[in-house]
This record gives sequence, structure tokens and C-alpha cells, in this order.
Amino acid sequence: SSELTQDPAVSVALGQTVRITCQGDSLRSYYASWYQQRPGQAPVLVLYDKNNRPSGIPDRFSGSSSGDTASLTITGAQAEDEADYYCNSRDSSANVLFGGGTKLTVL
Amino acid sequence: QLQLQESGPGLVKPSETLSLTCTFSGGSISSTSHYWGWTRQPPGKGLEWIATIYYSGNTYYNASLKSRVTISVDTSKNQFSLKLSSVTAADTAVYYCARHGVRGDYGKIDHWGQGTLVTVSS
Repeated sequence: SSELTQDPAVSVALGQTVRITCQGDSLRSYYASWYQQRPGQAPVLVLYDKNNRPSGIPDRFSGSSSGDTASLTITGAQAEDEADYYCNSRDSSANVLFGGGTKLTVL
Repeated sequence: QLQLQESGPGLVKPSETLSLTCTFSGGSISSTSHYWGWTRQPPGKGLEWIATIYYSGNTYYNASLKSRVTISVDTSKNQFSLKLSSVTAADTAVYYCARHGVRGDYGKIDHWGQGTLVTVSS
């Protein structure tokens, strides 16, 4: 099916490591991209093509992919990483798919 | 510096047509390396892709909205536009214009507009 599934909420202690996952059939064929969205702001691309970071994105953000699941890992989470995170991809019909989003709380 | 800017009415009456324009600056919308698209986000909810267009006019639409949506491009003005007809309160959302990749990177959105809130209300 053309859907991407994310856990609604995840929490992490300050300085610890957290993984956010995204699952969907399209990820078997196409890479996921990941976006960070802070309240009241537009989404920002943080990872693409499995593990590439745009300029300006800290290297504590990394990605991986296996089968139908893509993951975003934040190693040493900071207070400013508290945000909503969305994965997205495309499918074979050129639809753009978004996951439902994961709210990350940094404790 | 690349920039996308949405413009259009912030309030639309039910049953009418929502019209938004996105102006791209800092580059050419005729790039062969990008698609251009619209994504929306209802208050408190997640992101929903609406449509994408290539500079040549090739279009793709979200099937759930396709009957009501038209996306178009004006390369002479470096702009692309969205029309959504027969709107209801469920179409109230922040509408983002954005730049997509192509082929395998088609889903990747590397630049977003700031977003514009469109409220459907009488």
C-alpha cells in the first residue's frame, strides 16, 4: 500500500540517542527523506537518500534503511531537537507520501 | 539565496475556489532537476501532499484531491499556482509550496515556502 507509518510520539533524555522509524512498501524501492518541523515553522529537510545531510544539519542526525523500514537516529539529542519529524518518499505512480509524523520530546 | 513565497487569500468561503501562487527566487523554475509542488497541513495535523508539476507542464495529483485540484506553472514569471475548487472547512490548512527532486529524489523536498494559512469559512 502507498502509506508510510511512524510512531506518534517518542521521548529521549538529553544527550542520549533516539531512533525514529518509518515503515512502508515504497521504501523497498525508494529512499526516505526526513523533515524536522518546529511549532509554527515550515518543515526543514534533515536527511535524504538514506543518510545524506543538507548543508547546516548537524552530524548527530543520521539515517539508515533496511527492507521496508527507514530510520532517523539522533545521537546525543539536544533540547533544540524537540520537534515533529516526518518521513516521506515517493511511490511507483509518482505520488508523494508522508508519514503521520513523530513528536519527539527531549527530557 | 533560494526562496519560495506563497501568496493568495487567507479566507475563502465554502464552495468557492482556493487560489494560491508560489514565486520562486534565486533560481529558475525551468530547472530540469526539480519538480514544484504543494503540500498542506491542517491545524494540529500532519502533512498531506497535494500536487506537483514540472516546468514543461507534466503534473501529478493526490488521487483523493484530483477531481478538485489544478496545478499550473508560469515559467515567464518564475511562478506556479494551485487551484482547489469546492472547498469546505476540511480544506482549512497551512499550504506550503515547495521544490522537489526528480526521478528517485522526486519525494525529496529541499526547499519549502514559509506556508500560508487558508481558512474556509463563511
